[in-house]
Amino acid sequence: GAGVSQTPSNKVTEKGKYVELRCDPISGHTALYWYRQSLGQGPEFLIYFQGTGAADDSGLPNDRFFAVRPEGSVSTLKIQRTERGDSAVYLCASRTSENTGELFFGEGSRLTVL
Amino acid sequence: QKEVEQDPGPLSVPEGAIVSLNCTYSNSAFQYFMWYRQYSRKGPELLMYTYSSGNKEDGRFTAQVDKSSKYISLFIRDSQPSDSATYLCAMGKGSSNTGKLIFGQGTTLQVKP
Repeated sequence: GAGVSQTPSNKVTEKGKYVELRCDPISGHTALYWYRQSLGQGPEFLIYFQGTGAADDSGLPNDRFFAVRPEGSVSTLKIQRTERGDSAVYLCASRTSENTGELFFGEGSRLTVL
Repeated sequence: QKEVEQDPGPLSVPEGAIVSLNCTYSNSAFQYFMWYRQYSRKGPELLMYTYSSGNKEDGRFTAQVDKSSKYISLFIRDSQPSDSATYLCAMGKGSSNTGKLIFGQGTTLQVKP
């Protein structure tokens, strides 16, 4: 596709459940980013990948959050034992390489934890 | 105190007005500065990117950075209803643009026809 694709666009789950959010970056983009945007706030950095490895995961709030990018393309953000405070829009972005170019954001996955 | 402060608005202006959006920051480690536009239920899109103090112009948009005052601005001339969106400032630390950005809260702008 032409842009960053994120699925699902909406996810409603119950407290304590496990959730996976998927990001398909722009073809050829080696750097991939996850941000979280709470209602009325700007995006907050979570983690970024250069290729298959996490270059910086300092924004992950706790060990319930984990992300992978096994083949250097698609990435999955995994949230265990979801809490109501995890409700937010999870944004994925990609760009051509680690140190250059603009970030291209997807439309996000809106997570609601009941 | 947040590292980046941005007035959330909302800001409502008539079509054709000049709009001024601002952010302040507290950490002198920020070296590169961006403005993103975000339409409702969409991802942010980059409008302007600047690295040094001074002005940068692109069409109806002008970005201004004052590192000595830790203050950045975005000016929109001849505003249009299609400019109605949330505007986010974003900043990065260090000389290398890693893409790890700190965003402001965003200012919601409405341009009325």
